[in-house]
Amino acid sequence: QSVLTQSPSVSGAPGQRVTISCTGSTSNIGAGYDVHWYQQIPGTAPKLLIYGNNNRPSGVPDRFSGSKSGTSASLAITGLQAEDEADYYCQSYDRSLSGSWVFGGGTKLTVL
Amino acid sequence: QVQLVQSGAEVKKPGASVKVSCKTSGYTFTNYALSWVRQAPGQGLEWMGWISPYNGNTNYAQKFQGRFTMITDTSTNTAYMELRSLRSDDTAVYYCARVLGGGTLTPNWFDPWGQGTRVTVSS
Repeated sequence: QSVLTQSPSVSGAPGQRVTISCTGSTSNIGAGYDVHWYQQIPGTAPKLLIYGNNNRPSGVPDRFSGSKSGTSASLAITGLQAEDEADYYCQSYDRSLSGSWVFGGGTKLTVL
Repeated sequence: QVQLVQSGAEVKKPGASVKVSCKTSGYTFTNYALSWVRQAPGQGLEWMGWISPYNGNTNYAQKFQGRFTMITDTSTNTAYMELRSLRSDDTAVYYCARVLGGGTLTPNWFDPWGQGTRVTVSS
């Protein structure tokens, strides 16, 4: 089991908006630690999508946005496109594990 | 541009060791830590540890302490990881990634990532 919990799958039609959630606890997200998000297209390496809860690296479309509240974080994708079909992972830090970076279990996004 | 290029796939028997390399280019090697993350087949990402090429400092995830070693070679801008006493559940793709950012409540993030090295442990 991953320290950060994500729904296994989510789907949406082209043009729609979807959100992917990442739920932690008081030893990680709830302790105030920021959340980062990665996109992984099957067969390729993960790619940084969002850092520091809601910051996009250069080259990432503004259709992707992040937020954090309490013990959870969310990734929103608007104007869904076929190329967005991928696995998405959240990442944070957990202070109860001798100082450890932790990932969510991943959410598979299917574009219908 | 920043690139991390990893060594090729490996097949090992249980109990053996594996060493994976990660050759970097496009930035000053000693300015950024490097991390190793693995992904078992069909599974999520698992952080293994990080190393600072500047001073050799390391931080290992508790799960891997004792059989996992990271080193760097500043003459070739290359990082290496070695995992010993391999078991079948070590079968995974192993990634290196450059470590960025960080702050009091801002965990470091990873960008970019190497292409991954598939390690298969099978008798």
